[in-house]
Amino acid sequence: GQQVMQIPQYQHVQEGEDFTTYCNSSTTLSNIQWYKQRPGGHPVFLIQLVKSGEVKKQKRLTFQFGEAKKNSSLHITATQTTDVGTYFCAGSSSWGSSNTGKLIFGQGTTLQVKP
Amino acid sequence: SQTIHQWPATLVQPVGSPLSLECTVEGTSNPNLYWYRQAAGRGLQLLFYSVGIGQISSEVPQNLSASRPQDRQFILSSKKLLLSDSGFYLCAWSVSVDFSTDTQYFGPGTRLTVL
Repeated sequence: GQQVMQIPQYQHVQEGEDFTTYCNSSTTLSNIQWYKQRPGGHPVFLIQLVKSGEVKKQKRLTFQFGEAKKNSSLHITATQTTDVGTYFCAGSSSWGSSNTGKLIFGQGTTLQVKP
Repeated sequence: SQTIHQWPATLVQPVGSPLSLECTVEGTSNPNLYWYRQAAGRGLQLLFYSVGIGQISSEVPQNLSASRPQDRQFILSSKKLLLSDSGFYLCAWSVSVDFSTDTQYFGPGTRLTVL
């Protein structure tokens, strides 16, 4: 079945350093979504990418969707302690009116930031 | 605006006891509903999803069952809990207009410990 792999599993950085997490799918995706889960909290939607090669930015966060629509990355510039949490990518390969909205989640990358 | 509720927030149950977790969504109609389980420090495992009242799809064989008695109510149940049922249970909803709008919104979750 469809799999979404995410690396690294854990990342420890010094505050101010950059951080990147990568997401790879075994199949072509119709869209990719990113979620953030703070420690003890629930996943919160960050962004969705739909187009091949799409790049979106949210302040210090840059999201990319690969040309083949099988991989994605999240890059954080100059991390802050507020960036701590687990970042999940989630892909959908459903199309058309039969879409159930099912997403396949990666295992997540847990980011620790040392002040 | 839409809101999603889950209860209880925390639950400690003995092995072999029954389980009932409830999820309700407000402010939207005919949502897709999902139950996920997250083991400590792990990713999200989709357990069940529902595209309408009485329509339940199971993703993995397990000791759990789900029901959707009303449009915006989703219930996760078990007749006899196992130790391996411990985890963080998350309910989520989405509304699918087309493939590009299946963003999922998560509830606050229920932390279940089976002793």
